[in-house]
Amino acid sequence: GENVEQHPSTLSVQEGDSAVIKCTYSDSASNYFPWYKQELGKRPQLIIDIRSNVGEKKDQRIAVTLNKTAKHFSLHITETQPEDSAVYFCAALLNRDDKIIFGKGTRLHILP
Amino acid sequence: GAVVSQHPSWVICKSGTSVKIECRSLDFQATTMFWYRQFPKQSLMLMATSNEGSKATYEQGVEKDKFLINHASLTLSTLTVTSAHPEDSSFYICSAREPASWGYEQYFGPGTRLTVT
Repeated sequence: GENVEQHPSTLSVQEGDSAVIKCTYSDSASNYFPWYKQELGKRPQLIIDIRSNVGEKKDQRIAVTLNKTAKHFSLHITETQPEDSAVYFCAALLNRDDKIIFGKGTRLHILP
Repeated sequence: GAVVSQHPSWVICKSGTSVKIECRSLDFQATTMFWYRQFPKQSLMLMATSNEGSKATYEQGVEKDKFLINHASLTLSTLTVTSAHPEDSSFYICSAREPASWGYEQYFGPGTRLTVT
């Protein structure tokens, strides 16, 4: 079936450095790609999303890039801070089924 | 922004009993709601799509007779875990989407932690 692959599963970066999380998707008809941040025991929070008609979107320290040809998209966090430590999930909307499928998640650790 | 609530936030039940979880969209009408299950340190797995006034669509491998979903109104969907067993212990999260014309964003409830003893 259709799926979303996410790498790495764990990422540790020094505070102030950048973090990059990458995802690939299989459904070429997907046109909406959200990214969620989830803290322990809490609901996923949408941090940024991108639609297939653009290649990049930025919101302060967070940016997402999309390569439709290669079917991959990435999350970039710059100037990381301790509060960025969390699990991040990429996702893709399966147009045919009108549902969102999640990647397996990346546990981001910001080191002091 | 849109708000989705869930009740209860946590529940402990005995093996063999049934548990009902409610998901409500508080400030918008949700024709479609989604139910996810999340085991510790794992991703969100879509269980079913709940459509107001019609039967839910279950994902492959999810037992529809065990996880009963009812979406009786535009603001409420319920998930009933019937004859619960310890392996059903998990974090159950619902989400709701505003009408399609407004975009694709899903709003998540706070989740319900189910423990079956």
